[in-house]
Amino acid sequence: EVLLLESGGGLVQPGGSLRLSCAASGFTFATYAMSWVRQAPGKGLEWVSGISISGGNTYYADSVKGRFTISRDNSKNTLDMQMNSLRVEDTAVYYCAKRGSGSNSWYVDLWGRGTLVTVSS
Amino acid sequence: DIQVTQSPSSVSASVGDRVTITCRASQGVSRWLAWYQQKPGKAPKVLIYAASNLQSGVPSRFSGSGSGTDFTLTISSLQPEDSATYYCQQADSFPLTFGGGTKVEIK
Repeated sequence: EVLLLESGGGLVQPGGSLRLSCAASGFTFATYAMSWVRQAPGKGLEWVSGISISGGNTYYADSVKGRFTISRDNSKNTLDMQMNSLRVEDTAVYYCAKRGSGSNSWYVDLWGRGTLVTVSS
Repeated sequence: DIQVTQSPSSVSASVGDRVTITCRASQGVSRWLAWYQQKPGKAPKVLIYAASNLQSGVPSRFSGSGSGTDFTLTISSLQPEDSATYYCQQADSFPLTFGGGTKVEIK
């Protein structure tokens, strides 16, 4: 079964750090670019970060640039995101997302179930 | 950054109705636009990619059209299971951006 499983979410104080992980299975992880997408409670979708197949190219939303770092380990089929200097507005469900294979564009054809990050004092 | 504007923000229609949702990008994105469906408490699911390509397994009542800055998602005959929120996403350049969403309700 093709699956993405996120972990690492939880409650953290403003200014704190958290590391999210995503374990991929059922497909050749090393041949797909990946992203993180988040959704604040009751709000819409927001793309957060993306990483190329090799990990050599990374991309960030302006809202997280300089605070979040995306990385991948193709030998372990895992995608990570280190989140530092967390803010209340970072509170959201974070989805691990696989780049679609149907065209030469960054759409998502596989989503994880999401992990909730709550930033609150 | 490319802004993506969806309309309407919500629509209520009857089973069997034709429903159209539009998405406008602040600058041209060629055909690099995708549409997603999200039901409450669930992850999104891709319906359409590259403006008009139907994702495998998605019912043929869903279709997409457009290029450049203006795009449309059409549900040709609304079904009860189509009650959901729909999002468009430009996939042309970073940062990737989503529209604000359209909530589709069944009358």
